[in-house]
Amino acid sequence: NAGVTQTPKFQVLKTGQSMTLQCAQDMNHNSMYWYRQDPGMGLRLIYYSASEGTTDKGEVPNGYNVSRLNKREFSLRLESAAPSQTSVYFCASSPQGLAGVEQFFGPGTRLTVL
Amino acid sequence: KQEVTQIPAALSVPEGENLVLNCSFTDSAIYNLQWFRQDPGKGLTSLLLIQSSQREQTSGRLNASLDKSSGRSTLYIAASQPGDSATYLCAVRAGNMLTFGGGTRLMVKP
Repeated sequence: NAGVTQTPKFQVLKTGQSMTLQCAQDMNHNSMYWYRQDPGMGLRLIYYSASEGTTDKGEVPNGYNVSRLNKREFSLRLESAAPSQTSVYFCASSPQGLAGVEQFFGPGTRLTVL
Repeated sequence: KQEVTQIPAALSVPEGENLVLNCSFTDSAIYNLQWFRQDPGKGLTSLLLIQSSQREQTSGRLNASLDKSSGRSTLYIAASQPGDSATYLCAVRAGNMLTFGGGTRLMVKP
């Protein structure tokens, strides 16, 4: 049981390049989330998907797009990377996007934009 | 907008000490509060989840309390060990949103 997996683990981009961060969970969870973590700050929600086929903006969605490919997979795309998007990105999942449940996190993707 | 604050930002204690980490939040209309541990370069590991109707949760040497009306939670770690060294994050949940504090970086010295 792998839980939440993320690829790649590390990535270096040049300004203006695009890339997609992949996330998959094998816990049959309905809800999935993308966060970013910057030094000295807590995690901030970028986008989430309460259930398959739905996505919603979080606190810091600008510059990102997401796709809930199926129940297992939720990808995050940077169309034109900027140095301000240098961060650690975490994917998480929970059984359902309702009260009373905890979120499970992946190991993170460390992204540097030059 | 919900804001979550953790004090202190960093803490260094000798092994064996009991310690308390603090978390405060501005909007008491929450569903639950979750404490996480994060090791350097790693993801988050859930430690304790307290529902809004609960006052505390315990797991081993960890005890978390919640006072929703005052917007506060504490994480108590008994008999601290060097292996407890990590960053501890609290997060409050309202709807589908989980709002995190900035974390407390704990160092337990042998």
